[in-house]
Amino acid sequence: QSALTQPASVSGSPGQSLTISCSGSSSDIGLYNFVSWYQHHPGQAPKLLIYDVSTRPPGVSFRFSGSKSGSSASLTISGLQAEDEAVYYCSSYTTISTLVFGGGTKLTVL
Amino acid sequence: QLQLLESGPGLVKPSETLSLTCTVSRESVRSSSYYWGWIRQPPGKGLEWIGSIYYSGNTYYNPSLKSRVTISADTSKNDISLRLTSVTVTDTAVYYCGQYRGPSTGYGIDVWGQGITVIVSS
Repeated sequence: QSALTQPASVSGSPGQSLTISCSGSSSDIGLYNFVSWYQHHPGQAPKLLIYDVSTRPPGVSFRFSGSKSGSSASLTISGLQAEDEAVYYCSSYTTISTLVFGGGTKLTVL
Repeated sequence: QLQLLESGPGLVKPSETLSLTCTVSRESVRSSSYYWGWIRQPPGKGLEWIGSIYYSGNTYYNPSLKSRVTISADTSKNDISLRLTSVTVTDTAVYYCGQYRGPSTGYGIDVWGQGITVIVSS
C-alpha cells in the first residue's frame, strides 16, 4: 500500500485559516469515508482530531474541520493559534482491511 | 478511562527479533468491536501503521511488514504483543500501541500509548 500524499509543510499567521490536503486513491480515500486526521506534538502521542471524514471526537475544538472530494481529503484549521503548531497526519482505511497514513504535514504558526 | 502502556527492550541487535508488549488497563482486550494496533515513527519520518488484532483474534498487517510481523493478544494478562523478526536499523523507531473501534468511529485511533523508543544497533 502506498502512503497518502500530504504537503511537507504549511504555515500561517495567528487568526488565519488554512487547509492541509491529503491525496489517496480508489483503494482508500476514494472508496471509503473512513478518513481520520491526527495532531502530533513532539514527544507526545498523536491525538485524533477527525474521523469519518468530518466528525470531531468529544473535546476537539470546532476550529478543526474535515472534508473529502473524490480520492482526496482536507483538514481545515480556522482561527489559527500558536498551540496548533504540530505535525498533522491523515489516515484512511483501505480495501485490504489495513490503515494507511499520510507522510505528515508540519504546521508552522508565524 | 482506557490506558495503554508499551514496554520492552529499548535496544535490539540487527537480525534479532523485536518484542514489545502493550498492557491494557480499564478495558478487556476481548471487548467487542475493538481493534488493538501498533504504529511506529522512525526518527525524522512520519507515522507507519504496522498492524492490528481484532477482538475476535483476526489480524491485519501492513503488506510491507507482513512477512516479519506477528501481533497477538494474551487474554490472561490483558495485553497485546508485537513481534518483528530480522530487524535492521530501519526498524529503529518510536513504537505506539493504539485502540480503535472500527467502522463505528471510522477506524480512527482514539486511544494511544505513550510510545516506546526502540533502537536497532549492534
